[in-house]
Amino acid sequence: DVVMTQSPLSLPVTLGQPASISCRSSQSLVYSDGNTYLNWFQQRPGQSPRRLIYKVSNRDSGVPDRFSGSGSGTDFTLKISRVEAEDVGIYYCMQATHWPRTFGQGTKVEIK
Amino acid sequence: EVQLLESGGGLVQPGGSLRLSCAASGFTFSTYDMSWVRQAPGKGLEWVTGISGGDGSAYYADSVKGRFTISKDSSKDMLYLQMNTLRGDDTALYYCARGTYGLDVWGQGTTVTVSS
Repeated sequence: DVVMTQSPLSLPVTLGQPASISCRSSQSLVYSDGNTYLNWFQQRPGQSPRRLIYKVSNRDSGVPDRFSGSGSGTDFTLKISRVEAEDVGIYYCMQATHWPRTFGQGTKVEIK
Repeated sequence: EVQLLESGGGLVQPGGSLRLSCAASGFTFSTYDMSWVRQAPGKGLEWVTGISGGDGSAYYADSVKGRFTISKDSSKDMLYLQMNTLRGDDTALYYCARGTYGLDVWGQGTTVTVSS
């Protein structure tokens, strides 16, 4: 199985400051169709997960533009340009190139 | 509005069986892949299984292979997860989600507790 490794696992951030989460995969996530199926999800406390980013860098409808995704191959990053209070939660990367699909361990974002 | 609503969770003894259901609405269910994802108490997300919207091919995590079966009834817009030989480490909140490549819509989840 493809192992997804996130860092850091805990990320205290000052309001208004940027935040960055790394996600590394144990194998390339480039699929035979040329796409890279790397997703980012946000899970706020007590809520279901919500997809933020798909195929590395495509933001979902309604997702603030302070969220951005980048990367290629095995190395990916989620960035929040200016953290707001509503961004508190756990962020997961997930690969959907290989079976079975696998998630990273999650990164807990909290306000300092 | 696109919605997924899970049901069927509950308390079951080790070795027992349970069938989860997920009612889909607001989209053409038959054309979509679907997934089940679980979250053990205080833990992260684990993809459990997915089914293709096209040919109905199913895929499983190693942790459930041979014990769980995913199925779709497109005439009823329903997704199912048949869980057999349940173990304590199957205790979790089970979500259904639309897709196997993107998981763009999630339900609220249904709780499964395996305990004697």
